[in-house]
Amino acid sequence: DAKTTQPNSMESNEEEPVHLPCNHSTISGTDYIHWYRQLPSQGPEYVIHGLTSNVNNRMASLAIAEDRKSSTLILHRATLRDAAVYYCIPANTGNQFYFGTGTSLTVIP
Amino acid sequence: DAMVIQNPRYQVTQFGKPVTLSCSQTLNHNVMYWYQQKSSQAPKLLFHYYDKDFNNEADTPDNFQSRRPNTSFCFLDIRSPGLGDAAMYLCATSRGRGGEPQHFGDGTRLSIL
Repeated sequence: DAKTTQPNSMESNEEEPVHLPCNHSTISGTDYIHWYRQLPSQGPEYVIHGLTSNVNNRMASLAIAEDRKSSTLILHRATLRDAAVYYCIPANTGNQFYFGTGTSLTVIP
Repeated sequence: DAMVIQNPRYQVTQFGKPVTLSCSQTLNHNVMYWYQQKSSQAPKLLFHYYDKDFNNEADTPDNFQSRRPNTSFCFLDIRSPGLGDAAMYLCATSRGRGGEPQHFGDGTRLSIL
C-alpha cells in the first residue's frame, strides 16, 4: 500500500488560494488519489479524487504530477469553513483507504 | 439528508461488557467499511464488506467482529472492550471498488468505564 507524506500543518489567509501538497512515491499505476477533509467530531468528507489527469469540482482542484508520485490539492479561495485536517489517500483496487497523518489547515481571518 | 447514519453518536460501556455499534445507509452501496479513530490520530481501517464478502485487515484484533445482515445495515461488535478501545468508530460506504469515493457517517464515540 502506498505511503503518503504531507506537511503536519499549514496556514492560509482567508480568501487566498491554498496549495496542499502530498507525496505518494510508492503509488501503483492503478491507485486513485483521493482527498478527504475532516472537521472535529465529524466523519471525513470527500473533496476530490483522480487517477492521472488534473480534476476540478466545485470544492477544489487536484493537480497530479506526470509521474503520479505527488499531487496537490488546490483550494482557490480559502474560507474559515475550510479549516480542517486534509488527508491524501492513494486507494488500491480493493478501495481500502489507509489514512496518513494528514495536514491540519488553519485559515486566518 | 443523512446518507450514512450511525447510532448512537455517543456510547458508554463498561470494561469487558460487549457492545454493538450500528450503521445504516440509504445509498444502496455495495461496500461498507468500519474505521477506528483514536484521539488526535487518523482513521484506521478495521474491515469491510463487499456485498456479503467480509474482508478483515490483518492487524484488526479478534475482539472486533462485524455483521452485515442486509445491504442497508452493518454492525460492529466489540466482544470484550478494553480501555484501549475507547475511540471514534466511523462507518463508510462506497458504490463499489476501484477508486470509488467513500461516504462517511459522523461516527460513534465510544467510552469505556
